[in-house]
Amino acid sequence: EVQLVESGGGLVQPGRSLRLSCAASGFTFDDYAMHWVRQAPGKGLEWVSGISWNGGSTGYADSVKGRFTISRDNAKNSLYLQMNSLGAEDTALYYCAKSGSSSPTRAAWFDPWGQGTLVTVSS
Amino acid sequence: DIQMTQSPSSLSASVGDRVTITCQASQDISNYLNWYQQKPGKAPKLLIYDASNLETGVPSRFSGSGSRTDFTFTISSLQPEDIATYYCQQYDNLITFGQGTRLEIK
Repeated sequence: EVQLVESGGGLVQPGRSLRLSCAASGFTFDDYAMHWVRQAPGKGLEWVSGISWNGGSTGYADSVKGRFTISRDNAKNSLYLQMNSLGAEDTALYYCAKSGSSSPTRAAWFDPWGQGTLVTVSS
Repeated sequence: DIQMTQSPSSLSASVGDRVTITCQASQDISNYLNWYQQKPGKAPKLLIYDASNLETGVPSRFSGSGSRTDFTFTISSLQPEDIATYYCQQYDNLITFGQGTRLEIK
């Protein structure tokens, strides 16, 4: 069974940093691109970032470009999101999701998703 | 950036009704359009990929159609377990979601 488990969320002060992790199991991790998608409380879905199978290609939403960095460790079957200069607008449930292909721009549907990790930015 | 406009934003229907949700892209996205279902407190679930392909295991009452800028998602006969919010998502240029359609039982 494919499983994605996010961790690393929590309460953080504005301007600080946080690193999210996503542990993958049940599939050949380095065959697939991976993505982060977030959902602010009571709001819709917002794509954050995606990374190719080998980490060689990445993409970011304009809202996080220059502040967030996506990475992966295929030896550990893990996906990461380094979030710097956090603001209140980054408060959300962060999901990791498996893409439909090895590229973040081809077959970019998300299946499955993890259960999410909550990030709250507040003083 | 490509904008995705979903309508309606909310919808109330009876069990057995045919339900239709539309999604319009601000520019041609070919068929790079996916549909998701999100039930309260749960992660989204992929239903349709590339506009009209039914994901494995998804009931056949769900379907999708369209291309370029105009897309339609249909539930042929609404069931109580279909109560959820539905999202479209494009991936022709970066990735953007529609704002969602909340579906309720009348």
